[in-house]
Amino acid sequence: DTAVSQTPKYLVTQMGNDKSIKCEQNLGHDTMYWYKQDSKKFLKIMFSYNNKELIINETVPNRFSPKSPDKAHLNLHINSLELGDSAVYFCASSQGPRGAADQETQYFGPGTRLLVL
Amino acid sequence: KQEVTQIPAALSVPEGENLVLNCSFTDSAIYNLQWFRQDPGKGLTSLLLIQSSQREQTSGRLNASLDKSSGRSTLYIAASQPGDSATYLCAVHTGRRALTFGSGTRLQVQP
Repeated sequence: DTAVSQTPKYLVTQMGNDKSIKCEQNLGHDTMYWYKQDSKKFLKIMFSYNNKELIINETVPNRFSPKSPDKAHLNLHINSLELGDSAVYFCASSQGPRGAADQETQYFGPGTRLLVL
Repeated sequence: KQEVTQIPAALSVPEGENLVLNCSFTDSAIYNLQWFRQDPGKGLTSLLLIQSSQREQTSGRLNASLDKSSGRSTLYIAASQPGDSATYLCAVHTGRRALTFGSGTRLQVQP
């Protein structure tokens, strides 16, 4: 009965490779997010999607491309991986515009630890 | 641009102490503020959510307060236990449907 799940949990790869991280939520939420946590543990928003539509796209290299096949899934594809992409990537979801903004809480997945060698 | 700061960055206390973690934010136009807990190598667990119209929220030994006008929140942990050892993150929801996080306070409770 996992609410927000991510695969894989760990990802070790060489520079220059292309990789994908998958995220699924079974909460019936409309909005999903990708956050990046760097080596200093600072969490920062990368993207958010509402009902498969891109809402937020922070200053992220275009090597990162999110894809939302349906509102329960938000995958992250990364091309030409670089050393600086090493981080923990968290997927999250929330109810979205249907709910009251001041009551909205986000539910996080367990994270994907990416190491680029 | 919203910025969130947490003080202290790290804290070590003996078991049983009451403690306070601080969070400040630069833009008071927030919808809510959340406190999360992150255990090493794990994801984030939501502890408390305070709506912008509220002053505090309580859950068990945790009490979070919010002073929106001054841009401050505190998380009070009563009678700390070794199991409370974790990183505590403060995050504000500013209506862009994304959270802005502080850098966290790493708490160690010594048995």
